[in-house]
Amino acid sequence: AQSVTQLDSQVPVFEEAPVELRCNYSSSVSVYLFWYVQYPNQGLQLLLKYLSGSTLVKSINGFEAEFNKSQTSFHLRKPSVHISDTAEYFCAVSDRPGKLIFGQGTTLQVKP
Amino acid sequence: GAVVSQHPSRVICKSGTSVKIECRSLDFQATTMFWYRQFPKQSLMLMATSNEGSKATYEQGVEKDKFLINHASLTLSTLTVTSAHPEDSSFYICSARVRLAGGVDTQYFGPGTRLTVL
Repeated sequence: AQSVTQLDSQVPVFEEAPVELRCNYSSSVSVYLFWYVQYPNQGLQLLLKYLSGSTLVKSINGFEAEFNKSQTSFHLRKPSVHISDTAEYFCAVSDRPGKLIFGQGTTLQVKP
Repeated sequence: GAVVSQHPSRVICKSGTSVKIECRSLDFQATTMFWYRQFPKQSLMLMATSNEGSKATYEQGVEKDKFLINHASLTLSTLTVTSAHPEDSSFYICSARVRLAGGVDTQYFGPGTRLTVL
């Protein structure tokens, strides 16, 4: 069975500092990987995805994630965070159409 | 991008009453929608898969008679929480399945509905 582990429940960081949110998955088959962001009292928004091809994927707001098959990881990074990046971040995996398995979520707290 | 709406955004009801939550795909047709439940500080738990024109598929442990799902059209799915109890209070989120280029599926999520049962 698939599973997703987000190792950090909370990540506090100062504004303009770099950040990494960790995500590991377990699956015996090829998977597609996603990062979603959830702002307070809102639904999830797709941040970025890995489907195939280049293992480094990027979002329009400066986040990037790298698929590492040997380490079964899909960590999310940003070189310089803003206050507005404060949110809950969910890593998810899918091995078949429409079925998403979510990690527990990581709260990113950006401090001024 | 694809937009999914939910209505209402918040609802408060008395114990024993029923509540209907609507999920709409605004600018595309969705043959499949999903309903999730999210408890505070926790991840999303898939409740059921809603297929247009057929019965919903419920995840293990979800009571189908309590959480009625209807997917009457390609743009609308509804979740009705029947005989609501305080333990049903939660954040309910729907999503619509979207096929991306290359034949890969992903989901676009609604903004969620906060249900509080008194």
